[in-house]
Amino acid sequence: GNSVTQMEGPVTLSEEAFLTINCTYTATGYPSLFWYVQYPGEGLQLLLKATKADDKGSNKGFEATYRKETTSFHLEKGSVQVSDSAVYFCALVNSGNTPLVFGKGTRLSVIA
Amino acid sequence: ETGVTQSPTHLIKTRGQQVTLRCSSQSGHNTVSWYQQALGQGPQFIFQYYREEENGRGNFPPRFSGLQFPNYSSELNVNALELDDSALYLCASSLDRAKNIQYFGAGTRLSVL
Repeated sequence: GNSVTQMEGPVTLSEEAFLTINCTYTATGYPSLFWYVQYPGEGLQLLLKATKADDKGSNKGFEATYRKETTSFHLEKGSVQVSDSAVYFCALVNSGNTPLVFGKGTRLSVIA
Repeated sequence: ETGVTQSPTHLIKTRGQQVTLRCSSQSGHNTVSWYQQALGQGPQFIFQYYREEENGRGNFPPRFSGLQFPNYSSELNVNALELDDSALYLCASSLDRAKNIQYFGAGTRLSVL
């Protein structure tokens, strides 16, 4: 079946530090990959996506590259801000009409 | 263009009761999916509705049921509430069932006592 595994948190970083949140997946076929972010008290917001191997998704300084050979989609940001504090979810959807499958989420706290 | 809205924001029920949660999809979206997010976990797919028909279901018992209306708004009904039903319930809409980008509402926080 389809599944997503992401690094456990919480992750605590100082402002301007480099961020990596690891995500690996198991899926049949050629899934599309996503990162969603959940700020405190809010729903999920799509952060970025990639739909095929070697695609790089990017948004708001965050990047992730779809690596089929390692079945990974790690999230990176060069310099985090306090406002980036949130829970980050890696997710996939397989081809056709299938639901999103989420990882358990990684809580990021950025301190000034 | 309005986003996905859910009501109520919070709800407290007791074990054995029934609950109805509501979702208004984003303008122009004909597909609605519901997810359950337990504390500290990722969202789990409950079911999806496309043009008023159920179009896929996750591993949830029949006491979880839903409806989609002609205006594409949706309801999630849960009967015979159990303590483990306490969670954040998220609704997501998408332009079409085959499209991958889902837009989420802020959720309804359900507490079962």
